[in-house]
Amino acid sequence: GAVVSQHPSRVICKSGTSVKIECRSLDFQATTMFWYRQFPKQSLMLMATSNEGSKATYEQGVEKDKFLINHASLTLSTLTVTSAHPEDSSFYICSAAGGRNNEQFFGPGTRLTVL
Amino acid sequence: RKEVEQDPGPFNVPEGATVAFNCTYSNSASQSFFWYRQDCRKEPKLLMSVYSSGNEDGRFTAQLNRASQYISLLIRDSKLSDSATYLCVVWLYNQGGKLIFGQGTELSVKP
Repeated sequence: GAVVSQHPSRVICKSGTSVKIECRSLDFQATTMFWYRQFPKQSLMLMATSNEGSKATYEQGVEKDKFLINHASLTLSTLTVTSAHPEDSSFYICSAAGGRNNEQFFGPGTRLTVL
Repeated sequence: RKEVEQDPGPFNVPEGATVAFNCTYSNSASQSFFWYRQDCRKEPKLLMSVYSSGNEDGRFTAQLNRASQYISLLIRDSKLSDSATYLCVVWLYNQGGKLIFGQGTELSVKP
């Protein structure tokens, strides 16, 4: 299947700092990328849908000014968690939609810990 | 009410057992259905799509009942390597096309 990478895989930061997470589709062009968040023992929750060259669509309850999404190319989307706080500690996973069936391929996730 | 609801876990079964997971969804506009597998601290991976006619992939059988908005996954002859969390997932076309995940059911297969 298609390959989606995320970087970094793990990040620990102090409260108040900003963290950028990159999501790349390595062998296909993704017009749409999705960002999810997963807290322990809970399901993946869609945060936003990102389309190349346009503004992201955020799910209800997700602050767009706190979670900045940029999708500047067909192979790269970035999520920046601004002024991170301990409650933002979570597993962030991206997916990229592509291929004939527009299947979603998931990245390996980024584990964020805010101290 | 959650859009996708699954059996609460965990399921602890011996090797070789048959185990069944159930899932219900609330949005009748759901168009596609999947079972994903998620190992601890990893990303979810597609296990199989689910069709109204039912479909089988080796030891795994998935069923969909659109009338009752119910999805199932049956695992026969379970292996130690089947231990994971199984996620029931629906795809909604009328909300811009997005996947909605159930909370997952944890399976632990013991020797």
